[in-house]
Amino acid sequence: DSGVTQTPKHLITATGQRVTLRCSPRSGDLSVYWYQQSLDQGLQFLIQYYNGEERAKGNILERFSAQQFPDLHSELNLSSLELGDSALYFCASSVGPLRQGRYGYTFGSGTRLTVV
Amino acid sequence: GDSVTQMEGPVTLSEEAFLTINCTYTATGYPSLFWYVQYPGEGLQLLLKATKADDKGSNKGFEATYRKETTSFHLEKGSVQVSDSAVYFCALTPNTGTASKLTFGTGTRLQVTL
Repeated sequence: DSGVTQTPKHLITATGQRVTLRCSPRSGDLSVYWYQQSLDQGLQFLIQYYNGEERAKGNILERFSAQQFPDLHSELNLSSLELGDSALYFCASSVGPLRQGRYGYTFGSGTRLTVV
Repeated sequence: GDSVTQMEGPVTLSEEAFLTINCTYTATGYPSLFWYVQYPGEGLQLLLKATKADDKGSNKGFEATYRKETTSFHLEKGSVQVSDSAVYFCALTPNTGTASKLTFGTGTRLQVTL
């Protein structure tokens, strides 16, 4: 157990639907990062939150949104789902917002989303 | 922007063979460098890291040295085991600026056979 909890582990849904993925960071970590892993795009950074505020944004579609709550858990909302959104979605956490080379990142085991 | 380039896979080796997976990077300043491993059906696990030039990261028999002059962080292991079969990702994070996200390479699949 890495300390980062992601739910659900698997999700199957139809095109056009909306889903919410949840992430609880490791105890003491204030930053949360979301990544998408697909066969053709590899690991893509989506978005980072630090202590409730958006810190950095990557290749996140407008149909996707995220937030970090006061208890530091984060949710990634995916709407108007398309077949191409099928992927493994990872959450990672770290202590601070910057310069994490020393302290590192801890990854959850991911949520596998299948859109049919 | 920052980028990481890894050798294409899959890499297929016999047990006890020597492993090298090449990784080069492009980044401003002095990033921190990482190797992550993903076993089948699992998430990403940190294998090793190095935070400054000439540092050597090591773990479970794997090693990688941060080479600033060649912008490389090649992963090596002297004798691989079947249990090392996995996908290996090289990654970096900048130590300057306002972003701290990890930038990953495309991953290299390693298959070790008896």
